[in-house]
Order: sequence, then C-alpha cells, then structure tokens
Amino acid sequence: DIQMTQSPSSLSASVGDRVTITCQASQDISNYLNWYQQKPGKAPNLLIYDASTLETGVPSTFSGSGSGTDFTFTIASLQPEDVATYYCQHYDYPFTFGPGTKVDI
Amino acid sequence: QVQLQESGPGLVKPSETLSLTCTVSGGFISSYYWSWIRQPPGKGLEWIGYFYYSESTKYNPSLKSRVTISVDTSKNQFSLKLSSVTAADTAVYYCARGGSSTWYRGRFDYWGQGTLVTVSS
Repeated sequence: DIQMTQSPSSLSASVGDRVTITCQASQDISNYLNWYQQKPGKAPNLLIYDASTLETGVPSTFSGSGSGTDFTFTIASLQPEDVATYYCQHYDYPFTFGPGTKVDI
Repeated sequence: QVQLQESGPGLVKPSETLSLTCTVSGGFISSYYWSWIRQPPGKGLEWIGYFYYSESTKYNPSLKSRVTISVDTSKNQFSLKLSSVTAADTAVYYCARGGSSTWYRGRFDYWGQGTLVTVSS
C-alpha cells in the first residue's frame, strides 16, 4: 500500500506569515491528492483536490502544488481562523490519509 | 445543500458489533460513492469503506474481515457494521460523500458531524 507522510507534524507561525506543509507519497501517485482542513471538534473540510485545484468556495489564500511523490500546501497569509490540522490524502483506493500537520498561531 | 447525519450507540462492549447509520438529505444516495471514515481520539483519519449503488462495496484491507456496509435507498441511508470490536476501535466515526465517478470516489466533499463510539465494558 502507498504510505503518506507529512512534515512538519506541527508548526507555530504569526498572523500574516506564509505557511508551507509538505506531503510525500511512498510511490508515484500522479496528482491524485486532496488536502483537508480539520478544526478542533469538527469534521474535515475539503480544500484542494487534484493536488492543486481549489474546491468551490475555498479562499484563494490556500494553494497546492506538486505531482508524483512530492506535494506542497501553502497558506499565503496565516489568519487566526486557519488554526487547524491539515491532512493530505491519496484519493485512490484505499484512500490513505497523511498523519496531519497541526498549525497554531 | 447535502447534509449527512450519523446515528447509533455511543458505547459498545468489547467483542460485540458496532452499528451506525448515516442519513443523507439534500441528495440522492444512488448517485454518489458513500464512505465511512474514522478517527481515534487525538489521532489521524482512516478510511473504512464505501458503498456505490452500481458497484456495491469496497473496504479497507486492514478492516475487511470485520466490516459490512449496506444501504437503504428507500430511507436514503447507509449503514456500517464493525464486528468483534476492541478498544482500538474507539473513535469518532464519520460518514462522507465521495464523487459521482470512479475517478473521484475518494474525494470527500461532504461529511457528517461525526459520532464518538467508545468500546468499553
């Protein structure tokens, strides 16, 4: 099975900072990658699919890039409401999620 | 607006069967892939399995021997049964909608609020 890793596991940044999270797949997954945001006590929320396509209604402050085995998720300017855990996910069977990156201010 | 709502017991005894139902409103259950996903307290997300009307079911290999997902189209509901549970099955269980095509079956765009199931005697 394909394994997904993320780094860092957690980070703390200031309001207005640019934040970058990386996700790595154990083998080539093309662009079959989603990114989710999960706020405490809430269900995950789909932000990006196909590695770089913004889900409808998601602010353009979020972006994604990459293909193959290496992917990047970026928050252009961190806001207090962006405090959450972010997960990457390979969206082919068996739909493996990364371990998550907790973002704090 | 599509909405999903999980329901079922919050406490299950070890070795028994966990049973949950997801009620879908605002959309037809026959048109999309419908999944169960779980999250142990303080941990990450694990896909359990899905149902698709014209394909039936597919499960995570790690849980396949214990999982059954079924659907009741008359009630627009789908259900999860997980047998022989242990404390390791304690988690928040989410139902979620995947895409309408095989390509996007793992693109989960609508989620229920989640329900905590604790396995304990």
